[in-house]
Amino acid sequence: DVKVTQSSRYLVKRTGEKVFLECVQDMDHENMFWYRQDPGLGLRLIYFSYDVKMKEKGDIPEGYSVSREKKERFSLILESASTNQTSMYLCASRRMNTEAFFGQGTRLTVV
Amino acid sequence: GENVEQHPSTLSVQEGDSAVIKCTYSDSASNYFPWYKQELGKGPQLIIDIRSNVGEKKDQRIAVTLNKTAKHFSLHITETQPEDSAVYFCAASITGNQFYFGTGTSLTVIP
Repeated sequence: DVKVTQSSRYLVKRTGEKVFLECVQDMDHENMFWYRQDPGLGLRLIYFSYDVKMKEKGDIPEGYSVSREKKERFSLILESASTNQTSMYLCASRRMNTEAFFGQGTRLTVV
Repeated sequence: GENVEQHPSTLSVQEGDSAVIKCTYSDSASNYFPWYKQELGKGPQLIIDIRSNVGEKKDQRIAVTLNKTAKHFSLHITETQPEDSAVYFCAASITGNQFYFGTGTSLTVIP
């Protein structure tokens, strides 16, 4: 059974904290993605990676960075968390031109 | 980049009736169109997909149609059941790597 695992279901962080969201996939997929989901806005792409140490900005990269040191792991970093980054974060992985598999999501609240 | 529009944003149907969700896309180079279902507290899961060389695809009560000329595709759910209640997302893929998602449709099936 294929799996994308996000390290936390719920997180509460303080404004200004550095936040790490971790994602691991066990399918040997080349491509990994971080999305942000907000009501009425759908899924918006923050960053994606098509190979180890490679990254591309998505539609809303401001305030975020990513790290992919190993093929199976893709981390999203909030350098200095702000309240407008309170959201649901979804990680996904896929092979070229096939379906994407999503993690269960991390609901982040910044207070 | 690609722009995917999805309608309606909310949809209520009686159990046993059909539900139709429509999406349009802007880039004629898009060649892969998946549909995802997201249940409460879970990540999106693929329910059906279609590629640009096919006009229609069916899987039991779910079907997807694609009109490349008009650049729109639709999800059809027949004989709806309460467990079909969820948020549905359409998506389009151009490069084979990056997805562009619609804003989602919240479907409620009334018993």
